[in-house]
Amino acid sequence: NAGVTQTPKFQVLKTGQSMTLQCAQDMNHEYMSWYRQDPGMGLRLIHYSVGAGITDQGEVPNGYNVSRSTTEDFPLRLLSAAPSQTSVYFCASSSRGASGDYEQYFGPGTRLTVT
Amino acid sequence: AQSVAQPEDQVNVAEGNPLTVKCTYSVSGNPYLFWYVQYPNRGLQFLLKYITGDNLVKGSYGFEAEFNKSQTSFHLKKPSALVSDSALYFCAVRDGGTGGFKTIFGAGTRLFVKA
Repeated sequence: NAGVTQTPKFQVLKTGQSMTLQCAQDMNHEYMSWYRQDPGMGLRLIHYSVGAGITDQGEVPNGYNVSRSTTEDFPLRLLSAAPSQTSVYFCASSSRGASGDYEQYFGPGTRLTVT
Repeated sequence: AQSVAQPEDQVNVAEGNPLTVKCTYSVSGNPYLFWYVQYPNRGLQFLLKYITGDNLVKGSYGFEAEFNKSQTSFHLKKPSALVSDSALYFCAVRDGGTGGFKTIFGAGTRLFVKA
């Protein structure tokens, strides 16, 4: 049971490049989210999903796309990278909560630098 | 829309002394409240949650938190701090009344425990 995994751990992009941050979970969780962490800003929600085929926008969705074709995977796509997207990105998953398990499980993060 | 405020960027406490990390929240429905901890270069780990029931909830590593509906607060506490408690602490809220999953985090409070 690996929990939530994220790849890559580190990435450097040039302005305008695109890339996909991968996230996978093996806990059969319905809910998955992407956050970015910036100094003094805490974690800000980018996009989230309540199940395969269902996604919604969070607080800071601009410049990012997501899709959820399977329960396990929730990739985050940067369409045209900008220096403002330099951040640490965390993926998280959670069960639906029928048994009271509402807490999120986080991956180790991806540190992205856009030059 | 829900929001979370952590009024202190940093809390300093001596080892063995009690500690409090403050959190206030705003939601339109019933609050689901969480505390997470982040150690350096790691993802977030769940500490404790309030969903319903007893206002005093106990969590991992000896931490507890008190839900106060009238003050819309959910302060994190520990009777006797350890140097190993030094980390970044995040409060988070989800609007349980809407049935939605969207979870919003505060900006974080850095806890320093001196030996």
